[in-house]
Amino acid sequence: SQTIHQWPATLVQPVGSPLSLECTVEGTSNPNLYWYRQAAGRGLQLLFYSVGIGQISSEVPQNLSASRPQDRQFILSSKKLLLSDSGFYLCARGDPGYNEQFFGPGTRLTVL
Amino acid sequence: DAKTTQPPSMDCAEGRAANLPCNHSTISGNEYVYWYRQIHSQGPQYIIHGLKNNETNEMASLIITEDRKSSTLILPHATLRDTAVYYCIVRHGGYQKVTFGTGTKLQVIP
Repeated sequence: SQTIHQWPATLVQPVGSPLSLECTVEGTSNPNLYWYRQAAGRGLQLLFYSVGIGQISSEVPQNLSASRPQDRQFILSSKKLLLSDSGFYLCARGDPGYNEQFFGPGTRLTVL
Repeated sequence: DAKTTQPPSMDCAEGRAANLPCNHSTISGNEYVYWYRQIHSQGPQYIIHGLKNNETNEMASLIITEDRKSSTLILPHATLRDTAVYYCIVRHGGYQKVTFGTGTKLQVIP
């Protein structure tokens, strides 16, 4: 099973508040993990990816950060949300030797 | 990863074949062509991928031109459930960082 869990499913937060989105995955160990964001009417933007515990690569400089405290756990955080952080956040996994990525159900974040 | 160009939207009658084009003129020799689709408010779903030969699976067929500068995803008998945004992506086979463009919004019409 390549099941990916994300929570919460939806979130409404005020500007300036902190953020923590969690992603956990099942299946084979040591997956590559990814955070994407999709703004309304736009394509998916890769934010972060991780090839192992504690290893994070950032694709886009911004006020978001990511952490991978456990092999199957990937967390997206912010200390102070901006209006522009609103969007649909997707966690994905990819496994070495396999070609496709599997995506989670996503978290829809609205910053007011 | 090479850039791809897709039409922003297409319509297809239910039961007919849907042919979704993609241009990737800057593709390099070791880059694969991948297709994903995203049904509204869900995460993207892998469909198919190929390097230079045509590929077919239970979901679709992928036709890649001989010069590999373009490809076509074919859904042989489109259903209403195939209404989605379809993304064409090219990337190196062993490297799984995937960058998505804006895709083609396919509307299947009854």
